[in-house]
Amino acid sequence: EAGVTQFPSHSVIEKGQTVTLRCDPISGHDNLYWYRRVMGKEIKFLLHFVKESKQDESGMPNNRFLAERTGGTYSTLKVQPAELEDSGVYFCASSQSPAGPRVITDTQYFGPGTRLTVL
Amino acid sequence: SQQGEEDPQALSIQEGENATMNCSYKTSINNLQWYRQNSGRGLVHLILIRSNEREKHSGRLRVTLDTSKKSSSLLITASRAADTASYFCAPGYNTDKLIFGTGTRLQVFP
Repeated sequence: EAGVTQFPSHSVIEKGQTVTLRCDPISGHDNLYWYRRVMGKEIKFLLHFVKESKQDESGMPNNRFLAERTGGTYSTLKVQPAELEDSGVYFCASSQSPAGPRVITDTQYFGPGTRLTVL
Repeated sequence: SQQGEEDPQALSIQEGENATMNCSYKTSINNLQWYRQNSGRGLVHLILIRSNEREKHSGRLRVTLDTSKKSSSLLITASRAADTASYFCAPGYNTDKLIFGTGTRLQVFP
């Protein structure tokens, strides 16, 4: 079974440009998450999709970030315009069961991340 | 804050030694997960321990959970150079999002 894949693995752009990151979750996983790690800091949650719907986008830093999940399959995260502080590693993760209150958090499987550098 | 805090921030040991990392959190949890990140790669899920469990094993990994002290520990026995990585704990609440700390950087020297 293929794992979570992300594209590109690295991206170097200039301040003010636009970048789009892509995540392909494990087939059949309804839940898709975006996280990011800014240099030297903790990994922070950005948002959570259940199928094509945004379940929780409380971690999105500002309106320069736009995430979509068309058809409930792959997801894209667009940063427009990019700023220096957006540099970091962006991780995508997916998990299997539908969201909702439950006792046990399902295991989230992470992709290798996209390293974004904004110059 | 709901994030876990790992301790120590960095740990260096020789191959064959045991490595112990700790995680503390502040509010009641449903479970706690440990993840590993090798340099330049994604996070790998290691183990999940539920709030009603005290200890769990997986291969060379042993995780304990003390809910009265709001702490967990991850023990790696007979460490190998390939265990060199950053280790993160993620306390689990009634939410799907994982909340990570800054991690423990483990270096295992051959």
